[in-house]
Amino acid sequence: AQTVTQSQPEMSVQEAETVTLSCTYDTSESDYYLFWYKQPPSRQMILVIRQEAYKQQNATENRFSVNFQKAAKSFSLKISDSQLGDAEMYFCAYTTGNQFYFGTGTSLTVIP
Amino acid sequence: DAGITQSPRHKVTETGTPVTLRCHQTENHRYMYWYRQDPGHGLRLIHYSYGVKDTDKGEVSDGYSVSRSKTEDFLLTLESATSSQTSVYFCAISGRGGYGYTFGSGTRLTVV
Repeated sequence: AQTVTQSQPEMSVQEAETVTLSCTYDTSESDYYLFWYKQPPSRQMILVIRQEAYKQQNATENRFSVNFQKAAKSFSLKISDSQLGDAEMYFCAYTTGNQFYFGTGTSLTVIP
Repeated sequence: DAGITQSPRHKVTETGTPVTLRCHQTENHRYMYWYRQDPGHGLRLIHYSYGVKDTDKGEVSDGYSVSRSKTEDFLLTLESATSSQTSVYFCAISGRGGYGYTFGSGTRLTVV
């Protein structure tokens, strides 16, 4: 069974600093996709970054980047130059096609 | 996201009453999903649809039914609402899974 684990229910970071959110997953598949979503208090989940498992290069979107370790089944999100607006819930997700599996989320606090 | 809307945004209902939540998309995506979000559980799949009149169960489908008579609409029905169904419900759409979901804004349902 596919599972996604986020072991850090809460994280905090000083404004302008860097923080890394952890995610591990369990799968027997070789071809899949990984995502990070963020969820503001308004509730709608928004895609942050996407990684294709067959690509070794780590995905990057502006201040957001991932550290994808396929052998270790690890997919961490690094947020650089943290801003107050980054204070949201972050969810890691996995899919092989059309059914997604989500972690339980990490709540990020940004300290001014 | 303007391509997907959920209604209602909030609803309070009594135990034992039927409730229908609506998800409407303008993206002509094939796949539509209903999730519930509860603290400590992340998002859990209730039902999904892979085409008109084609639906399947997710991991928490008991007590829920769905219907999709048109590509753009996916309805979630609680036949007889219970307090355990108090949750935030999200609809999501997907054209191709590798590109991620687009989420609706959610429906906060309270069963009293």
